[in-house]
Amino acid sequence: QKEVEQDPGPLSVPEGAIVSLNCTYSNSAFQYFMWYRQYSRKGPELLMYTYSSGNKEDGRFTAQVDKSSKYISLFIRDSQPSDSATYLCAMSAVSGNTGKLIFGQGTTLQVKP
Amino acid sequence: DADVTQTPRNRITKTGKRIMLECSQTKGHDRMYWYRQDPGLGLRLIYYSFDVKDINKGEISDGYSVSRQAQAKFSLSLESAIPNQTALYFCATSDFARGTDTQYFGPGTRLTVL
Repeated sequence: QKEVEQDPGPLSVPEGAIVSLNCTYSNSAFQYFMWYRQYSRKGPELLMYTYSSGNKEDGRFTAQVDKSSKYISLFIRDSQPSDSATYLCAMSAVSGNTGKLIFGQGTTLQVKP
Repeated sequence: DADVTQTPRNRITKTGKRIMLECSQTKGHDRMYWYRQDPGLGLRLIYYSFDVKDINKGEISDGYSVSRQAQAKFSLSLESAIPNQTALYFCATSDFARGTDTQYFGPGTRLTVL
């Protein structure tokens, strides 16, 4: 079993839709949770960063962490064609933190005009 | 200018050849990483370096070696390339001194081994 599981999609939605991207994990030591966005032929770029449980909002994006369920989500409101990309969740533990991130497989999102 | 650069951006080589992928950063970060990305497998860590004298194996280091020539430079070598090393390779940096795991990625090198 992988430490982090992410539905690879692809996910196709119409412009303006609300998108929900999810990851589950098995390591209860994970404390830092990130979402990266990767456009085609580009490197991943950090989109959202959260610590421990709770929600964080940044414009049209909301990151949600539920540590009791070992489940994290990224919501995109009013999705735009420019949101079409692969979204990767990533996480790391606090204790013995070596700066190593564990990534999900990535979910490919297409937003159609 | 990009903060994390990788050269070459694309490389086609033959089985058995030795090749080197290079990474440079102007972010002043202490930590550097090499990942490979394969469809359906996400990003997997090959090697990471906390500073010039501290290099560590990652999840999939077999068949690879690295060199941290300076704080700003971290190169990845394939001593004898094989076809299953065909992948997208990314270099990343982080500034752990600031207490964050945020990693910043380069644009990637697409490697094909024939």
